[in-house]
This record gives sequence, structure tokens and C-alpha cells, in this order.
Amino acid sequence: GENVEQHPSTLSVQEGDSAVIKCTYSDSASNYFPWYKQELGKRPQLIIDIRSNVGEKKDQRIAVTLNKTAKHFSLHITETQPEDSAVYFCAASYTGTASKLTFGTGTRLQVTL
Amino acid sequence: DTGVSQDPRHKITKRGQNVTFRCDPISEHNRLYWYRQTLGQGPEFLTYFQNEAQLEKSRLLSDRFSAERPKGSFSTLEIQRTEQGDSAMYLCASRRKPGVFTTGEKLFFGSGTQLSVL
Repeated sequence: GENVEQHPSTLSVQEGDSAVIKCTYSDSASNYFPWYKQELGKRPQLIIDIRSNVGEKKDQRIAVTLNKTAKHFSLHITETQPEDSAVYFCAASYTGTASKLTFGTGTRLQVTL
Repeated sequence: DTGVSQDPRHKITKRGQNVTFRCDPISEHNRLYWYRQTLGQGPEFLTYFQNEAQLEKSRLLSDRFSAERPKGSFSTLEIQRTEQGDSAMYLCASRRKPGVFTTGEKLFFGSGTQLSVL
């Protein structure tokens, strides 16, 4: 089955700096890669996703890049703000019958003033 | 579209008791998933329904766990003879059927049921 590894487990940045979170996946058949943000005690919320036919996708301060050859993808957050503080999860799936997501172990991002 | 709803939000039970959780997916979503999340970990897949059919179950889902989606709408997850190791957040998620304007990949989560087994 799919295995997703995520690094770092914790990340502290100053407000206004950039943050980068990296993930690798094992199953070359995976073709869909979402990122979720989870605040304490709340549901995981989809913040951005990318499909394998695209190398990069951007949405305001958030961008995701995908390297299919190396089987890794990254989340980039620019101009970080205190409200970006949360746990971020990457995930991977093959959009076949079940399309179940396999999640990384999460990165706790702390944006300090 | 009120989002995925789960009930209850919190459940405290004694070891050996049975518990049941309910999930109401987004109304037009035909695919429903149950995940389990423990502290400091990402959600782990438990089982998947397409309409009322349970199509896949994880090895994590022991015989004490059973899930149903009788009319293809809401779903229930029952845990029999709970153990302390069952303590976790149980998350439900749903996604829409692929169509002309969407590939139906986006998965939307509920707020979860936090289970504590004493």
C-alpha cells in the first residue's frame, strides 16, 4: 500500500517568513495530492491540492509543487501570519475505485510574532 | 451545504461497553469514509462506502468494529467491547461522485467524535 512520509514534524517561523513542508510517497500510481490544515480540536480542512498532471499550483500565499519522478511534493506558505499556525497534513491517493487518502504524520507550524 | 456532521462530538465510555457514532455526509456526496486519528498522527483509513455498499475495509478494522450506511445517506460506526486502545478521534469524510464538471477528488471531513475509553 501507499506510504507517505512528512518532514519536518515541527516548524517554527517568524511572521512574514516562508514555510516549506515536504512529503514523499511510495506508490507511483498515486495521482492526487491534497494538503489539509487542522487547528486544535477542529476538523482537517483542505487548503490546496494537486493532480499528477500538474507540476505546480498556487493559491494566494499557498503553493504546492510536485516531482513525480522523485515522488515528492511540497507545501510552500509565503508571508506567514499567526493564523497559519496549525498542524498541516499531506496526503496521497490513486483516484481509482476507493480513492482513499494515505496521510503523512503532520507538521506542527508555529508562526511567532 | 452544511458540511459533514458527526454525532456525538465527545464520548466517554468504560472499557467493555459498546459505542455507536453517526455521520451525516454532505447531501450530494455518494462516497463516505471513516478514518481514525490518534494524537500526533495523521488520519488512518478505516472503511469506505459508495452509496450503501461497503467496498473496502482496512486491516485496522477489527471484528469489534462494524459500519453501516443503510440507505446510502448517513452512516454509523459501532465499536463493541471497547478497549483503551480504541481511544481516538473518529473522523467521517465524504466526497461527491465524479461528474462532468468535477473529478470528485476533494474529501471533506466532519469535526469528528472524540472517544475516550476509561
